[in-house]
Amino acid sequence: AQTVTQSQPEMSVQEAETVTLSCTYDTSESDYYLFWYKQPPSRQMILVIRQEAYKQQNATENRFSVNFQKAAKSFSLKISDSQLGDAAMYFCAYFSGTYKYIFGTGTRLKVLA
Amino acid sequence: EAEVAQSPRYKITEKSQAVAFWCDPISGHATLYWYRQILGQGPELLVQFQDESVVDDSQLPKDRFSAERLKGVDSTLKIQPAELGDSAMYLCASSEGRGARNIQYFGAGTRLSVL
Repeated sequence: AQTVTQSQPEMSVQEAETVTLSCTYDTSESDYYLFWYKQPPSRQMILVIRQEAYKQQNATENRFSVNFQKAAKSFSLKISDSQLGDAAMYFCAYFSGTYKYIFGTGTRLKVLA
Repeated sequence: EAEVAQSPRYKITEKSQAVAFWCDPISGHATLYWYRQILGQGPELLVQFQDESVVDDSQLPKDRFSAERLKGVDSTLKIQPAELGDSAMYLCASSEGRGARNIQYFGAGTRLSVL
């Protein structure tokens, strides 16, 4: 069975600085998708960025980028020029061949003014 | 902008009572998901619908939980009887289809407290 591990329960970053959130996963599948979701306090979860496993190029979305290391089964999220609005829970998720999303336990990001 | 609607936002109930949650997905979305999110954890899939059919309910505690999506549009998740361990956030999400290329859109959730 696939598993997703986020080893950082909480991270802090100064406004305008860069922070990296870690995620590792375990799978025997060769083709899959990985996602980062953001859950702001008392608001709905939204998709930040996604990566297709067969694509070697790392995905980027404006200030958000990933470092996808398929052999190491690592999928980290880098947030550049951090803003106060980036403060939220961030969840790493794996999409399995059984059409099921498997989420990690999340990392709480605090942005310090 | 279209959103996934959920109600109620908060529900407090006593153990052994019945509770129900409602979800209205984005119009045209064929796939609907119900998740349970325990405080400090990530969402865990309870049930997945494709139109009106259940395609995955392997993690649904079927002795007390039920879900339906009769006309393939809105959906209801029921718990009867509720137990203390059911206290959690219940999230609904929808997407155009089942594949990973279809973005999941989440509702704001229903926070359940069982006393």
